[in-house]
Amino acid sequence: QSALTQPASVSGSPGQSITISCTGTISDIGSYNYVSWYQQHPGKAPKLMIFEVSNRPSGVPDRFSGSKSGNTASLTISGLQAEDEADYYCNSYTTSSTVFGGGTKLTVL
Amino acid sequence: QVQLVESGGGVVQPGTSLRLSCAASGFTFSSYGMHWVRQAPGKGLEWVALLSYDGSNTYYADSVKGRFTISRDNSKSTLYLQMNSLRAEDTAVYYCAKVRGGVTAIKAAFDVWGQGTMVTVSS
Repeated sequence: QSALTQPASVSGSPGQSITISCTGTISDIGSYNYVSWYQQHPGKAPKLMIFEVSNRPSGVPDRFSGSKSGNTASLTISGLQAEDEADYYCNSYTTSSTVFGGGTKLTVL
Repeated sequence: QVQLVESGGGVVQPGTSLRLSCAASGFTFSSYGMHWVRQAPGKGLEWVALLSYDGSNTYYADSVKGRFTISRDNSKSTLYLQMNSLRAEDTAVYYCAKVRGGVTAIKAAFDVWGQGTMVTVSS
C-alpha cells in the first residue's frame, strides 16, 4: 500500500492553467480507471473533484479536468481562481485496497 | 441534505482503546459502503478501512489491521471504528466518507465526507 507520488507544490497566476501529476504503478493507476481527485482547504474536509479518471461530480466547475496516461494520472485546472488555492490529493484503487497520493499544495500567486 | 457527523475523538494514552462514530443523514445509509480516512497533523490523507453496504465485506490498511475494527448499524444509520492498542502514530483527524455508488465499493470514489474528529494518543 505505497502512497502515490505527487509534487509537493505547484503554483500559477490567476487565469493560467496548472497540472498536478499523480504517479503510481502498474498495480494501481496503470491497471485501473478508478482514479479520483480531492480538494482540501485548510481546516476543512476533502471534497471530491474528479472520479473515475475524468468525470466531474455535479457542481464541480468544468475548469477542473482529469486524465491518465500509463501509470500517471493528472488533474488540470484552467482559468485559475484565488479560491482554487488548496491542497489536492489523488486516489487510486489497487488490488483489494485503495491508496492516496501524498498531496500537492496549490498556490495561486 | 447529505451529511456525515463524526464523534468520539479525544486524548487517550498509548495502548488504550477508543470508539469513533459517524452518524449519517440525508441518504439511504444501508445502500452504500462507508470508509474511514485519517489525516495526521500537517500530513496527507491515509485510507484506514472500508465496510460494504451490508457489512459483509471489510478492508483494512496494513497499518491498522488487527487493531481496528469497522462496523455499522444500518438501523441507526451509524458507522463505527473501534480502535484498540492505540499508538502515537494513530494521532490524526479521522473522517468518515461515503462511497460513491455505481461501482464496487473498494473501487469507488469518496463522494461525501464528514468534518472529522480528532484523536490524540499521548502519555
